[in-house]
Amino acid sequence: SQQGEEDPQALSIQEGENATMNCSYKTSINNLQWYRQNSGRGLVHLILIRSNEREKHSGRLRVTLDTSKKSSSLLITASRAADTASYFCAPNQGGKLIFGQGTELSVKP
Amino acid sequence: KAGVTQTPRYLIKTRGQQVTLSCSPISGHRSVSWYQQTPGQGLQFLFEYFSETQRNKGNFPGRFSGRQFSNSRSEMNVSTLELGDSALYLCASSPEGYNQPQHFGDGTRLSIL
Repeated sequence: SQQGEEDPQALSIQEGENATMNCSYKTSINNLQWYRQNSGRGLVHLILIRSNEREKHSGRLRVTLDTSKKSSSLLITASRAADTASYFCAPNQGGKLIFGQGTELSVKP
Repeated sequence: KAGVTQTPRYLIKTRGQQVTLSCSPISGHRSVSWYQQTPGQGLQFLFEYFSETQRNKGNFPGRFSGRQFSNSRSEMNVSTLELGDSALYLCASSPEGYNQPQHFGDGTRLSIL
């Protein structure tokens, strides 16, 4: 079964708004990674947060990790039409990335 | 630095055939992992190679196999192809340890007729 479960499955917002995606997982992890995928293409690495970190920032991205609740969130601030894509969280369990079904984000101009 | 390169980008095969996919990791990366992506099952881990040895394995039948060469390039092979093997096969590389990002290639789209 999938370990990373994203919520919501789909999200539609206007340009300039913030987008928040949540992820839950089931077992202990080394780290958790977030990826973006545009239709039919490979995965683009966004950010890695280690199990002993609580928050990490990269540009317009903010990721949090709560290992006690086995959950993570990705916040994209001031979204742009180019952010339209599928977003996946991937808990890393001993080198295996365990993906969920992803969140489809649509940012309307 | 060049990214992860996968060849070919597209492949069409028929049931019962076998196929070999290739992955060249980012220069200096020693770990290569393979994933299968389908609409129904999503992204699933196949296996990981490090220093020419399989270090991790997912839950796929023995028809799926792989290897890694001394220059870290990797190949995966699928024998006796089935319709359900139609998928996007993605390769990812990382430097070494588990606390480093895995960087993906654009994948090989395999269609089985």
